[in-house]
Amino acid sequence: QKEVEQDPGPLSVPEGAIVSLNCTYSNSAFQYFMWYRQYSRKGPELLMYTYSSGNKEDGRFTAQVDKSSKYISLFIRDSQPSDSATYLCSQGSWSNDYKLSFGAGTTVTVRA
Amino acid sequence: DTGVSQDPRHKITKRGQNVTFRCDPISEHNRLYWYRQTLGQGPEFLTYFQNEAQLEKSRLLSDRFSAERPKGSFSTLEIQRTEQGDSAMYLCASSLAQGSGRGREQYFGPGTRLTVT
Repeated sequence: QKEVEQDPGPLSVPEGAIVSLNCTYSNSAFQYFMWYRQYSRKGPELLMYTYSSGNKEDGRFTAQVDKSSKYISLFIRDSQPSDSATYLCSQGSWSNDYKLSFGAGTTVTVRA
Repeated sequence: DTGVSQDPRHKITKRGQNVTFRCDPISEHNRLYWYRQTLGQGPEFLTYFQNEAQLEKSRLLSDRFSAERPKGSFSTLEIQRTEQGDSAMYLCASSLAQGSGRGREQYFGPGTRLTVT
């Protein structure tokens, strides 16, 4: 079983829609979480970092963490064509705080 | 631009050749990481440095791979006797590790795409 499972997608939504992205993880040692956006043939760009259960909001992005269910989500409000990319969830633990474990990514297309 | 930079961006090599990649981290960051990413997958951890010390290596890092970070600044990743299975995007990231709860954000460079023919 992979440590991190991410909804495979792809997702295609109309401009202005809410995009919902989800990951589950199996390792209860994971204590902090990051979402990255990756455009084709580019490096991942950090979007959100959180280490608490609950919601964290930054502009149009909301990260949600439920440690009891080992479930994390990213919501993108008012989606734009420029949001079309692959979104990667990742997790880390304080005891091995050098290593992030990533999901395989969900590719999102926002149609104008 | 003060982000992480990598060079070259693309490398095509023949099987059996050696290749070397360079990464320049964000200047004040004390940690530097190497990851490998294949098509349709997320990045996989290879190794990391805290200042100039290489503190952890993944089992993915075979004996043909070696990484250095002299003087705790830039880093190089060398692959000897390349194989077709080495074709991937090699990503470098850096972070400023601080106290508990802070500094775990890793910032990635643009990657070096390696194609072994």
